[in-house]
Formats: sequence, C-alpha cells, structure tokens
Amino acid sequence: NAGVMQNPRHLVRRRGQEARLRCSPMKGHSHVYWYRQLPEEGLKFMVYLQKENIIDESGMPKERFSAEFPKEGPSILRIQQVVRGDSAAYFCASSPGGQGRKLFFGSGTQLSVL
Amino acid sequence: AQTVTQSQPEMSVQEAETVTLSCTYDTSESDYYLFWYKQPPSRQMILVIRQEAYKQQNATENRFSVNFQKAAKSFSLKISDSQLGDAAMYFCAYGNNAGNMLTFGGGTRLMVKP
Repeated sequence: NAGVMQNPRHLVRRRGQEARLRCSPMKGHSHVYWYRQLPEEGLKFMVYLQKENIIDESGMPKERFSAEFPKEGPSILRIQQVVRGDSAAYFCASSPGGQGRKLFFGSGTQLSVL
Repeated sequence: AQTVTQSQPEMSVQEAETVTLSCTYDTSESDYYLFWYKQPPSRQMILVIRQEAYKQQNATENRFSVNFQKAAKSFSLKISDSQLGDAAMYFCAYGNNAGNMLTFGGGTRLMVKP
C-alpha cells in the first residue's frame, strides 16, 4: 500500500509565477490536509478537504492560494503570483476519516521562490 | 484556539541513555488527541505515538512512551535506550475531537551522541 505521494519534491519558481503542488492520498483515504512549514518551525494547518469539498480553509491565505480535491485525481494546492515569502515546505497528509484520525504525511514539496 | 508549546529547542542524549522531551498545550476541550511526530533530515513526518485524552493509561510504543498529565496539560515523550537513528526533529501535536486539523508545537531537535 503506497503512502501519501507528493510531487514534485522540489519546485523552483520566479516571483510572479504559479506553483502547483500535487498530492495523492493513501489508497482508501478520502480526507486530505495541507500544511506549510517554514524553516525551523512546526507545521501550520492550511486547508482540509474531502472529495470535491473544502471542509476547513481557515489556515489558507485569503489571496493567491487555492486548493482542490477532485473526484478523480490528486489534490492540488495552487499558489498564484508567488512571492519570496511563499518559500517553504508544503506537506500533504491523508486519513481515512473518523475521530482521532491519524494523519499520514507525504514527504513534502520544497518550494523555492527566486 | 489551541496552542502547543515545546520549551526545549534542542536536546542531547548519549546513545543507549534515556531522554524526555517536554510538551504543554492549552485547550478548553475535554476530549482530544495528542501526538508525537518525528521528522528526520529526509523531511518525512513519521507518527511516533498517539494518546487519547479520555484514556488515563499512558501510551507506549516499544522504546517510546508518554507521560500524559491531563490536569496539567502536559504531554512529554520519553525515549529509552536512545539510538543514533532517533536523531531528528520531534513535534508535539494536538488534535481536536472533530479532527479537522492538528496544531503543532515548534519542535525539539534531538541529537544523539555515540
């Protein structure tokens, strides 16, 4: 059973470009979470999605950031017009749902904005 | 809002010895979950141990155990017989009963000396 797959592992963008980060949850998991980690800090929650629905986006910046989890295919975190402050590691996690749900994390995408 | 505090930015332990990592949290809820995650240099987030707040018995996973003090809102991790492979960042995390997201502490970097 493959784990949570994130790609790319590293992504370099110039200021003003768009960044697309992909996440395929573990088989059988319908809940996806995105987190951001700045250097030497803990992970910060961004958004929680189930198939075709955004459940909680309280951690998402109001502008330039969006996320989706379509019926078919991976979850996508999209950052438009990237700025240097967007440079961070972005982690995706998935769970099968239920209370006290264990989250299984991917290896993250390191976004570097030049 | 919940907060998680790890007061030790860095800890060091001799191989084969025991070390305890501290974590405190703040919440007004009575039912919740607590986690310790390990993040080695590979950046992968690995679940070490999980504790349900309604259980008085402390969770144990092989060499890893916790000291859960609900009244004090304290959740420390004890690593026995430390191994070189235990060297990593350790993050304490709080999960509410709804399970929408985890709130992470700032992390403790553990170094293991041979």
